[in-house]
Amino acid sequence: EAGVAQSPRYKIIEKRQSVAFWCNPISGHATLYWYQQILGQGPKLLIQFQNNGVVDDSQLPKDRFSAERLKGVDSTLKIQPAKLEDSAVYLCASSRATGAGRILGKKLFFGSGTQLSVL
Amino acid sequence: GQQLNQSPQSMFIQEGEDVSMNCTSSSIFNTWLWYKQEPGEGPVLLIALYKAGELTSNGRLTAQFGITRKDSFLNISASIPSDVGIYFCAGYTQGGSEKLVFGKGMKLTVNP
Repeated sequence: EAGVAQSPRYKIIEKRQSVAFWCNPISGHATLYWYQQILGQGPKLLIQFQNNGVVDDSQLPKDRFSAERLKGVDSTLKIQPAKLEDSAVYLCASSRATGAGRILGKKLFFGSGTQLSVL
Repeated sequence: GQQLNQSPQSMFIQEGEDVSMNCTSSSIFNTWLWYKQEPGEGPVLLIALYKAGELTSNGRLTAQFGITRKDSFLNISASIPSDVGIYFCAGYTQGGSEKLVFGKGMKLTVNP
């Protein structure tokens, strides 16, 4: 079974530029998450999708971050404009639908992440 | 927001030694997950715990869901060099909108 795919692996941009990350979840996983992991910290949830609807975006800085999951499969996360403090690893994760099989839905599987450096 | 206190923050051990780490919270959690993250990779799920008092093993790893539902621990027995990495605890808060919250991680170094 293929895992969560993310691209690019690395990105270096200057502040005020824009950047986009792409994620393809595990086949059949209805729930998709974007996490931000700052160096030395645990991952922090930015946004959670159930199919193509947003379940939780309470910690997403909406003035500069946006995310979409148009067809309920792939997702993109965009930052515009980027700030120095956005330097982090952006992790995508997926899980089975939380409604059907609560226990299975709680197991998140992560991609390798995109390491973003904002200069 | 919810916070998980993970300790210790780092450990340096010799190959073959056992290691323990724990995670505590001021809030009740209804699920605990333990992840391992290696450099340049995303976290990989090691063990999931769903009931207070539950003790679960995965090879040389053993984890327990604390009876108070506010803590969990992970033990690694007979460590080997490939155990090197950062170990994260994560938990789902009880009730309402469940959200997975992560600890800050414990960096493990194993000397051959």
